[in-house]
Formats: sequence, C-alpha cells, structure tokens
Amino acid sequence: EPEVTQTPSHQVTQMGQEVILRCVPISNHLYFYWYRQILGQKVEFLVSFYNNEISEKSEIFDDQFSVERPDGSNFTLKIRSTKLEDSAMYFCASSEMVQERSNEQYFGPGTRLTVT
Amino acid sequence: KNQVEQSPQSLIILEGKNCTLQCNYTVSPFSNLRWYKQDTGRGPVSLTIMTFSENTKSNGRYTATLDADTKQSSLHITASQLSDSASYICVATDSWGKFQFGAGTQVVVTP
Repeated sequence: EPEVTQTPSHQVTQMGQEVILRCVPISNHLYFYWYRQILGQKVEFLVSFYNNEISEKSEIFDDQFSVERPDGSNFTLKIRSTKLEDSAMYFCASSEMVQERSNEQYFGPGTRLTVT
Repeated sequence: KNQVEQSPQSLIILEGKNCTLQCNYTVSPFSNLRWYKQDTGRGPVSLTIMTFSENTKSNGRYTATLDADTKQSSLHITASQLSDSASYICVATDSWGKFQFGAGTQVVVTP
C-alpha cells in the first residue's frame, strides 16, 4: 500500500541554523500539507500546497518557514533560522483530490526536530 | 473561534472491555468529522470520516457517531485489545477543507 515517507526521522540542530525536512507524498496525490505537534500538545496545521503554490497557511507559518516541491516527488519544509520553540514533531500529509469534502489525508511517520 | 474539545483526556481500560470517547466541536461552516488513531511517535491514521448527513460509521471494532445538531461526536471501541493503546484524535473539517484538531484522548489498554 502506498504511503507518505519522511526523512530524516530525527533531526537535531542548533538554534539559528537552517533545517530542511523532506517528504515524499503518495505519487498520484495533488494536495500536500505540513503539520506540527509540540510534545504533549495537539497537532497544528502549518500549510497546504497545491499546483506548486501555497493554498493556505496558518499564523504559525511565518517568514521563517517556506515550502517547496523541487521535483516531481519531494515536498520540503524549510525553517531558515530555527528557534528553541520550533522543537516538535513535523508531519507531512497528502491527499488525492482538491476541495473534496471527504478527502482522505494520509500522514507520514513524522520528523522529530530538536533545536538545542 | 473554531474549536474541538475532547474528553476524557486519558483513560485506562481492561483488555476486552468497551469504551467511548467524546468530542465536541464548534467548527463552522462544518463539513465533516474525522477520527484518527495516533500511536506514540507516529503519524495519525484515519479511522472514520463522517459528513454532516451521516449519523454513524464503523471501521472494525471502532464505531463513530455524529450529531450535527448538537455538534457532538463519539468514538466507541468494542472489545478493546492491547494494540488499541494510542491517542485518539477528533478532527473537524470546515467547508474549505481546513482541519481543526482536538487534543486527543490517550487510551491505555491493560492486560
């Protein structure tokens, strides 16, 4: 069964450094998402991406964040200058259809980012 | 403000017993209600999706109900197994497809 994959599984970085989290969505999916989950807290929406552009973003997704689909398979989340509070689990998700109300989102296993 | 509240925060049940988790939402305009299972350190996995016109949906031993009038949903786990130990997350989706996550209910099934 196809699945969303994410690399690395765990990333440790120093405050102020740039990090890139990578995701490979399911191949025929068109809509991509990033979420984060701070330890012990709820999952929070960051950004959705369709047709090579951001379709929606939350207030968390400020100028320090960017997303890119550099080729036909990868979807990346970049944090330019990491802060301690960026430490969290970051989940990528993808879905097949656009604006389908009962559209299923498939989540990857997550990347645990630790900022020291 | 769109919100999803879940109760209880956590519960411990004996293997083989049933349990029911609750979810109240205030998302508007409402489109659908989803329940996810999240194992520790893993991504959420979908259990059920219900639109506003659906009252109940089952997935194996998991049965979700939805009352769109009172904006309440429940997830019932029948004959619990050790592998059911996880966080169960309620997600309300608005008409634009945006997800609003609940904080989850942590379920621990003991032998």
